[in-house]
Amino acid sequence: DADVTQTPRNRITKTGKRIMLECSQTKGHDRMYWYRQDPGLGLRLIYYSFDVKDINKGEISDGYSVSRQAQAKFSLSLESAIPNQTALYFCATARGASDTQYFGPGTRLTVL
Amino acid sequence: EDKVVQSPLSLVVHEGDTVTLNCSYEVTNFRSLLWYKQEKKAPTFLFMLTSSGIEKKSGRLSSILDKKELFSILNITATQTGDSAIYLCAVELNSGYALNFGKGTSLLVTP
Repeated sequence: DADVTQTPRNRITKTGKRIMLECSQTKGHDRMYWYRQDPGLGLRLIYYSFDVKDINKGEISDGYSVSRQAQAKFSLSLESAIPNQTALYFCATARGASDTQYFGPGTRLTVL
Repeated sequence: EDKVVQSPLSLVVHEGDTVTLNCSYEVTNFRSLLWYKQEKKAPTFLFMLTSSGIEKKSGRLSSILDKKELFSILNITATQTGDSAIYLCAVELNSGYALNFGKGTSLLVTP
């Protein structure tokens, strides 16, 4: 079984809809991250969390919110999706600083 | 502003060639540099480099860091079609909060 899972894997939605992307991990890591990847732009950090009570904005948090329901779960929400949020979204986990980040399989989101 | 720049952005080579991918960075409070390989979906970890001049090797892949000149290279010898992927370089700062990624190098190895 995969250590980091993301659901859904693919989603098509319309402008203005609320969308939630979920990430679960069985690695027992405290740190969790959400990135988005756009062609030619690499991965950009949206939000990160060092533990259940610690949530921090990343480089491009506008239009997104997150919830860390438990150590193992970190959800990303788009309150009102817009087309330029069409991207590949990755969740990642890490044990701590200077630890390798492990990535989930990604969610491809298309906003029409 | 912290920057991580990879070059080239894309590369096409023939099987058996040797390739060198570059990653330069301008960041404050550098902690480590990481290389990832991204095939179809999720990036997978290749190397973490923290000290200058110490080569890390894994099979046909190797990488080295130069902290004075602020760059790293990733070498792939005797390339195979299975090496076709996007190679991502990322820098971790001492704040340790996340990784700053470059835009990646897209490598295509043709038969």
